Amino acid sequence: DGGITQSPKYLFRKEGQNVTLSCEQNLNHDAMYWYRQDPGQGLRLIYYSQIVNDFQKGDIAEGYSVSREKKESFPLTVTSAQKNPTAFYLCASSIRAGAGNEQFFGPGTRLTVL
Amino acid sequence: GENVEQHPSTLSVQEGDSAVIKCTYSDSASNYFPWYKQELGKRPQLIIDIRSNVGEKKDQRIAVTLNKTAKHFSLHITETQPEDSAVYFCAASMWAGTASKLTFGTGTRLQVTL
Repeated sequence: DGGITQSPKYLFRKEGQNVTLSCEQNLNHDAMYWYRQDPGQGLRLIYYSQIVNDFQKGDIAEGYSVSREKKESFPLTVTSAQKNPTAFYLCASSIRAGAGNEQFFGPGTRLTVL
Repeated sequence: GENVEQHPSTLSVQEGDSAVIKCTYSDSASNYFPWYKQELGKRPQLIIDIRSNVGEKKDQRIAVTLNKTAKHFSLHITETQPEDSAVYFCAASMWAGTASKLTFGTGTRLQVTL
């Protein structure tokens, strides 16, 4: 909460196009995460990163890509290979990776494929 | 991997009554169990968490209990108020290799009626 931002708030994409969602944090957190939220399915982990220049696939990584070139930034690219990209995307960060470290969420980006 | 089941999916209570939301998890190695509240159109926020070395934790009107043997944990809200209306998510986390990740339940929509 506060200190983690996502842009844009709403995003529309045509089928077959790649699109990149921005996530920035000024909390000096080492770990960052991307989740997808669909109605009735909770939050599902797409990718996570413990530290700069390192990231791991989550449970639903197919059709997505990420980079972590800076500690503050963890952009998510939704590629044309993602078959059902319309969803609410949430970015989160925690001071470090590890059980017990609170994850703080950004306000989310709602992506709609036209 | 970890699987978290959450019940009920919707819950309606009258103001002043108590609400209980239950979750079960599958992996006995999980050792951290947070609860998040998501108000309509807003980001999820941590409201309480419990670690595996504790059986119960309270914070004013909110409490969480953990039964490691049964792999079951619950959120209890007493003296419910209209502002408690939201979607609540449970989650479980375990240290997996070099990082940990949260696995979320599917959420419970709580409606507190006057």
